[in-house]
Amino acid sequence: AAGVIQSPRHLIKEKRETATLKCYPIPRHDTVYWYQQGPGQDPQFLISFYEKMQSDKGSIPDRFSAQQFSDYHSELNMSSLELGDSALYFCASSLGPAGASTDTQYFGPGTRLTVL
Amino acid sequence: AQSVTQLDSHVSVSEGTPVLLRCNYSSSYSPSLFWYVQHPNKGLQLLLKYTSAATLVKGINGFEAEFKKSETSFHLTKPSAHMSDAAEYFCVVSGGSGATNKLIFGTGTLLAVQP
Repeated sequence: AAGVIQSPRHLIKEKRETATLKCYPIPRHDTVYWYQQGPGQDPQFLISFYEKMQSDKGSIPDRFSAQQFSDYHSELNMSSLELGDSALYFCASSLGPAGASTDTQYFGPGTRLTVL
Repeated sequence: AQSVTQLDSHVSVSEGTPVLLRCNYSSSYSPSLFWYVQHPNKGLQLLLKYTSAATLVKGINGFEAEFKKSETSFHLTKPSAHMSDAAEYFCVVSGGSGATNKLIFGTGTLLAVQP
């Protein structure tokens, strides 16, 4: 079965640079979530989209922005990168509107971002 | 607000012995609860989920969890550990007070399986 695809899998950037992470949800899934997992930490919710509209926002820095496109893929744009942004960024997708809390979220393999 | 507390940061068992990973939740209403597993340098894989149906939930790879409302617990168990079970396990709660399905993770339990 098709899974969530994230690209790139690894990314190395310098401080103050920008980065774009991409997420392709499971086919027919219309809801996308982004999570950040710092070293030795649990994943923290950043932001979610349903039908191309932002549905919820967590602890996402103002330097970050995200959107969901008409084909339901999502991009997380990160500017003015800081050392503390080094983390594993997960995308998850689900079928159904945000708020239907029984919908299972399926996670991608993650993008490991390293900021030097 | 919803939260989960994983009572053990590290658990070590011998291969073939039972596994118990403890999780307590806090929620103002009936929660949706999940267990996810993360193998080293890998993504998050869903083990099982509870969504107010049967209180005993069976998952993949022989894992199961029991929802106990009176104890606000959702402990993960497996009768016999396998070496391949060594990983980090996250207890997760879903569903905020508004129209949100964001997942709130516990701090994780690292399971080591000794030969």
